[in-house]
Amino acid sequence: SQQGEEDPQALSIQEGENATMNCSYKTSINNLQWYRQNSGRGLVHLILIRSNEREKHSGRLRVTLDTSKKSSSLLITASRAADTASYFCATVNTGGFKTIFGAGTRLFVKA
Amino acid sequence: DAGITQSPRHKVTETGTPVTLRCHQTENHRYMYWYRQDPGHGLRLIHYSYGVKDTDKGEVSDGYSVSRSKTEDFLLTLESATSSQTSVYFCAISASTGEGFYNEQFFGPGTRLTVL
Repeated sequence: SQQGEEDPQALSIQEGENATMNCSYKTSINNLQWYRQNSGRGLVHLILIRSNEREKHSGRLRVTLDTSKKSSSLLITASRAADTASYFCATVNTGGFKTIFGAGTRLFVKA
Repeated sequence: DAGITQSPRHKVTETGTPVTLRCHQTENHRYMYWYRQDPGHGLRLIHYSYGVKDTDKGEVSDGYSVSRSKTEDFLLTLESATSSQTSVYFCAISASTGEGFYNEQFFGPGTRLTVL
């Protein structure tokens, strides 16, 4: 079974609005990462948050991590049509090399 | 894109034939991964490598084998292709910080494989 599960599966918003995606996982993690995938392309790393961190920012991205609830959220502020893509959370388990990806959230930003 | 290439980019083959996909990196990263991506499943890890000749299985390794004879090349072989192996295959690489925290992965452009 997959480690990370994103919610919602799909999200449609207007340009300028904020988009929030959530990720839940099941076991202890070393870190959690968010990736973006444009249609027909490989994944691109957005941000990494370590298990001892609670919040991290990068430009219009804000990621939070709650290890007690085994959950994370990705907030994209002031969304743009170019943010239209699929977003995946991925977890690296404690002591492991492997990164486990969730099924992703498809974000559609309408101009 | 990071220095990762995959070949071929597209392939159509018939059930029962062997297929080899190649991943080549110019970053000298230690870790390399093969994933498959299918609708509704996200990315699933097939095999990974933590050094030359050091490989291990992922969550969906049945029917696949890998080899890494050089740092820069990681080969994925479908020993006898089946229709269930029709998918998009991604190679990825990563480097460790050495502190026990693992860095982000960089992905190749993908190979679309169709098994008829």
